[in-house]
Amino acid sequence: GAVVSQHPSWVICKSGTSVKIECRSLDFQATTMFWYRQFPKQSLMLMATSNEGSKATYEQGVEKDKFLINHASLTLSTLTVTSAHPEDSSFYICSATGLALGNEQFFGPGTRLTVL
Amino acid sequence: GENVEQHPSTLSVQEGDSAVIKCTYSDSASNYFPWYKQELGKRPQLIIDIRSNVGEKKDQRIAVTLNKTAKHFSLHITETQPEDSAVYFCAASRGGNEKLTFGTGTRLTIIP
Repeated sequence: GAVVSQHPSWVICKSGTSVKIECRSLDFQATTMFWYRQFPKQSLMLMATSNEGSKATYEQGVEKDKFLINHASLTLSTLTVTSAHPEDSSFYICSATGLALGNEQFFGPGTRLTVL
Repeated sequence: GENVEQHPSTLSVQEGDSAVIKCTYSDSASNYFPWYKQELGKRPQLIIDIRSNVGEKKDQRIAVTLNKTAKHFSLHITETQPEDSAVYFCAASRGGNEKLTFGTGTRLTIIP
């Protein structure tokens, strides 16, 4: 089946620093990748949709200058949380889909970000 | 945009009994409805999905029904087992590479 990896699985950083999270599709070409944020005991909230080679489309209320998304290749998308603050602490999950995969999105294992 | 509501938020069921989780959606253009199971700290796992040209789909103990006219779909788990305990999310999308909108989740607890 289609496999998506994420790195790192967890990260702790100081307030004010930037953190980069990578999302990779290991055995398929991901034409579209999605980034979600999930707070404890809550649902997955879509942050942005990223198509390879294009600028990401951000959901309402998500600051594009704070959450930088790059989808430079068909197997890699990155999310950079700039000037992170404690309220950015969350579980960040990516998903990917591609041609011939139907409608299914394949999820990465998630990255737990803790900002001190 | 799409709005997906999910009920109940918590559900406790005796082992062996059935569990039913219901979702409604607002966008009549939505045509893909997956259900996910998520364990604590893990990624969502697709357990079953249905497309708008089908009214019901079954996979062993799990079934999903869809009523497009009423814009609601339901997950049915029969003969529940302790390992079914998890949080379940419904979702809806317009298909293709379109985004998913998730429901608020149901915490299912199976009582041995």
